[in-house]
Amino acid sequence: NAGVTQTPKFRILKIGQSMTLQCAQDMNHNYMYWYRQDPGMGLKLIYYSVGAGITDKGEVPNGYNVSRSTTEDFPLRLELAAPSQTSVYFCASSPRDTPNTGELFFGEGSRLTVL
Amino acid sequence: DAKTTQPNSMESNEEEPVHLPCNHSTISGTDYIHWYRQLPSQGPEYVIHGLTSNVNNRMASLAIAEDRKSSTLILHRATLRDAAVYYCIPSRAGGTSYGKLTFGQGTILTVHP
Repeated sequence: NAGVTQTPKFRILKIGQSMTLQCAQDMNHNYMYWYRQDPGMGLKLIYYSVGAGITDKGEVPNGYNVSRSTTEDFPLRLELAAPSQTSVYFCASSPRDTPNTGELFFGEGSRLTVL
Repeated sequence: DAKTTQPNSMESNEEEPVHLPCNHSTISGTDYIHWYRQLPSQGPEYVIHGLTSNVNNRMASLAIAEDRKSSTLILHRATLRDAAVYYCIPSRAGGTSYGKLTFGQGTILTVHP
């Protein structure tokens, strides 16, 4: 199993551009999450999904959109990129069976710089 | 979510035990205590979690105070690979928590050779 795979690993955007960060997991996990981590800080939840077709906002959703058309994929879209969105983005997944006690599996992260 | 207090940083020598403390005095009765760590330039990885009883796994031990207001992550023999940021995260079970975790700033562990 590859686990949680994120692409791209690095990206530089200009202000106002749009892009999609891809996240895929091959563990058949129902729960998926997007976090961002600013330098020297902990992770903050952007959006999460409890299954295909179901998404909800986390702590810092402004400027982002998500979709969940399949169990495997959970892309994060940035519209009109701003310098404040410069961060490292982590995707994670968790099995539905133990959503509140089981572990989260994280990808390696996508480092985004907006200039 | 319960608030947590962890030391900003700790240091240890290789092959010595490390005790990483966490205060979570506002924890509710159904909150599990999770520990994750984040190695440099990597995503967080699960270490251990528990509710009331002390827990052991291949990576670490978790000692939970009887009143559950604090816990300690124990690395029995630190290695250089254990140098990471360690996060203590209370997480509410049931309801609409959906496994969401709230990360604080954690403790930066430095391990000296």
